[in-house]
Amino acid sequence: AQSVTQPDIHITVSEGASLELRCNYSYGATPYLFWYVQSPGQGLQLLLKYFSGDTLVQGIKGFEAEFKRSQSSFNLRKPSVHWSDAAEYFCAVGLTGGGNKLTFGTGTQLKVEL
Amino acid sequence: EAGVTQFPSHSVIEKGQTVTLRCDPISGHDNLYWYRRVMGKEIKFLLHFVKESKQDESGMPNNRFLAERTGGTYSTLKVQPAELEDSGVYFCASSQDLGYTGELFFGEGSRLTVL
Repeated sequence: AQSVTQPDIHITVSEGASLELRCNYSYGATPYLFWYVQSPGQGLQLLLKYFSGDTLVQGIKGFEAEFKRSQSSFNLRKPSVHWSDAAEYFCAVGLTGGGNKLTFGTGTQLKVEL
Repeated sequence: EAGVTQFPSHSVIEKGQTVTLRCDPISGHDNLYWYRRVMGKEIKFLLHFVKESKQDESGMPNNRFLAERTGGTYSTLKVQPAELEDSGVYFCASSQDLGYTGELFFGEGSRLTVL
């Protein structure tokens, strides 16, 4: 069965600093990969997704993620964090033909220090 | 355009009682999903409706959970009788089609606390 690991439960960064959130997946084939963000009082919002092609994908709010097949990773990055980025971030994997049935990681809570 | 709305936002009930959660998907979205997050753990898939039909209910924990989607519009998730381990946040999501756009639109979630 597929699984997603987000090894960092909490991360604190200073505003303006760079950010990298880690995500590793386990799946027998090339997965569909996603990053979602949940800000306080809001639902999960799709940041970006990878299906195929260019392994570096750009998302909303200045985020990007890189798919590395050899490492089974899909890490999320942002060059300069803003205080409004404080939220919980979820990595997810979808199955081929799975009809949008996603397997999520446990999430990473991001705190931004001013 | 209204997003996915869920009601109630928070429910506190005693063990053994019944709770019904409601989800209104984005208008025109045939696909509706329920997910659940138990505290500190991952968000887990519960089930998937296509219009009023259950496409996949493999994630439903047991028969104390009943999901319906009458008329293919809003959906309800009933827990009867509730147990302590049912506490968590229940998310509803909808999407327009089954093609892999990955664009699931989530509601804010309904937090259920069972005492």
